[in-house]
Amino acid sequence: DSGVTQTPKHLITATGQRVTLRCSPRSGDLSVYWYQQSLDQGLQFLIQYYNGEERAKGNILERFSAQQFPDLHSELNLSSLELGDSALYFCASSVGAFSGNTIYFGEGSWLTVV
Amino acid sequence: AQKVTQAQTEISVVEKEDVTLDCVYETRDTTYYLFWYKQPPSGELVFLIRRNSFDEQNEISGRYSWNFQKSTSSFNFTITASQVVDSAVYFCALSGIKGGKLIFGQGTELSVKP
Repeated sequence: DSGVTQTPKHLITATGQRVTLRCSPRSGDLSVYWYQQSLDQGLQFLIQYYNGEERAKGNILERFSAQQFPDLHSELNLSSLELGDSALYFCASSVGAFSGNTIYFGEGSWLTVV
Repeated sequence: AQKVTQAQTEISVVEKEDVTLDCVYETRDTTYYLFWYKQPPSGELVFLIRRNSFDEQNEISGRYSWNFQKSTSSFNFTITASQVVDSAVYFCALSGIKGGKLIFGQGTELSVKP
């Protein structure tokens, strides 16, 4: 158990809908990351927050947004969902914002868009 | 640009065989960090090891060992006396100086048959 908690573990939704994925980082970790894993793209970095502020942005679509709250939990919002958004979404956390921190991953949220 | 290449897409071995998973990376940073993660069939990403660019000492942890060679930009992972429970996808990842995000390779799927 990495200590990173993600909910829900699985969800199925229809195209055009909106979903929210939730993440609680490990105790003491200030940085939260979101990654998307799909068969064709592999593991792709989406976005990083550190202590409530956006720290780095990767290949995150405009239809997707995230935030980190004062209690350090984070949410990833996916809207106007398309079939291609079906993927495993990981949240991860680390103590700091910088290179070299070990990044621990949650169990992921499996999203299926039908 | 930073890049991680895992040329072996799939490897199949029989239990008790030794197996080496290759990882080659590209970066212009002089300080960087390398990681290996394991993704078992259940889907979670499990942290295995972190290495910084200044520490080229090989590391052994039980049946696992890692060989880091800056001269060839490689960070290979060897499992000695493989077991069925080692069956998983293994990812090599790189973190550069500018931030904590990880750049992943495409992964190597290891299948250990009894």
